[in-house]
Amino acid sequence: GQQLNQSPQSMFIQEGEDVSMNCTSSSIFNTWLWYKQDPGEGPVLLIALYKAGELTSNGRLTAQFGITRKDSFLNISASIPSDVGIYFCAGQSSGNTPLVFGKGTRLSVIA
Amino acid sequence: GAVVSQHPSRVICKSGTSVKIECRSLDFQATTMFWYRQFPKQSLMLMATSNEGSKATYEQGVEKDKFLINHASLTLSTLTVTSAHPEDSSFYICSARRTSGALGYFGPGTRLLVL
Repeated sequence: GQQLNQSPQSMFIQEGEDVSMNCTSSSIFNTWLWYKQDPGEGPVLLIALYKAGELTSNGRLTAQFGITRKDSFLNISASIPSDVGIYFCAGQSSGNTPLVFGKGTRLSVIA
Repeated sequence: GAVVSQHPSRVICKSGTSVKIECRSLDFQATTMFWYRQFPKQSLMLMATSNEGSKATYEQGVEKDKFLINHASLTLSTLTVTSAHPEDSSFYICSARRTSGALGYFGPGTRLLVL
């Protein structure tokens, strides 16, 4: 089945630093999504991307839908302690298909 | 934004008992609901897709007789873990979607511990 490779697996950064994580796929997706999950909670949608090449921002977060439609990245600028959590990418082939999730990037922010 | 709730938020049960988890879309009608399972430090794994009024579609390797899914209304889907065993202990998360092509919204999850 489809698989997403998400990296890095974990990150430890200083407060104020920028963060970058990415996902690559062996197949094409028509939608890329980025979620954040806090401990004991369900994932919360951060950014949705629908078009190859699309660059979308949500506050300090910026994500891009790769031109090949097989990759996406998420950047977080000027990290703060509340950015701590697990970030998941997810791809969707079409509107009728379920999401395929990456394995997550665990972010720790050191104050 | 759309709100999805799950009940209970956490449950502890004895091995061999059955546990029912509810997923409700509070402010919209969900034609499709998804059930995921997440083990510690793992990603979300899709268990099944349910459409209102029809039988659920299970992913490969998920036993449909063990994980019973009922999507009887447009705002409620239930997952029943029958004859639960310790290896069924996990975090179960639902997602509800208005229509085909729309994004789904995740519930807060249910932590199941089977002793």
